Amino acid sequence: DIQLTQSPSTLSASVGDRVTITCRASQSVSDWLAWYQQKPGKAPQLLIYKTSSLESAVPSRFSGSGSGAEFTLTISTLQPDDFATYYCQQYNTFSTFGQGTKLEI
Amino acid sequence: EVQLLESGGGFIQPGGSLRLSCVASGFTFNSHAMSWVRQAPGKGLEWVSSVSHSDVYTYYADSVKGRFTISRDNSKNTVFLEMNSLRAEDTALYYCARDPHYYERNSYFRGPSFFDYWGQGTLVTVSS
Repeated sequence: DIQLTQSPSTLSASVGDRVTITCRASQSVSDWLAWYQQKPGKAPQLLIYKTSSLESAVPSRFSGSGSGAEFTLTISTLQPDDFATYYCQQYNTFSTFGQGTKLEI
Repeated sequence: EVQLLESGGGFIQPGGSLRLSCVASGFTFNSHAMSWVRQAPGKGLEWVSSVSHSDVYTYYADSVKGRFTISRDNSKNTVFLEMNSLRAEDTALYYCARDPHYYERNSYFRGPSFFDYWGQGTLVTVSS
């Protein structure tokens, strides 16, 4: 099984900050990696797929990069609506999610 | 508008069985693979199972293999998750999710993908 490890697990930031979340895979997943945002009591929402492709209607302040076994999600200028939990997901071999990163004020 | 509506969750004793359903609308159901993803209370997301658009190929997480069965009825726009030999660690909110890729009838299915639409989930509680 491919394991995904996100860092940090919790991230404290302020509106206007630039933040980066890292996702490391236990083996290469090529570029088959997605990112989701989840708010309390809600289903996850797709942000990015295939490492860097922005899902329709997702603000351009979100971006993804990486390849192989190390990936990042960057939010260029934090907005109040961005405080949530973020998950990476690999779909190179079956599917696995990272443990999540809680972005808090 | 794409909608996914799960049902069938509930309270069940260890060793019991449940069948979850997810009714889809707003898209060509038989052209999309479907999956189940679960989330234990206060925990992260866990992929559970996926089924191809044609119901030919199925995939399972090791944690549920041999106990859970995914299937679909394309005539009813519904995907199912039959859960047997339930354990306390199966307690979770179970989400139905759509693979965004459009598959023709005989298209090759490469396996589980990412998910562009999710339902609101149905809660399964396994406890004595």
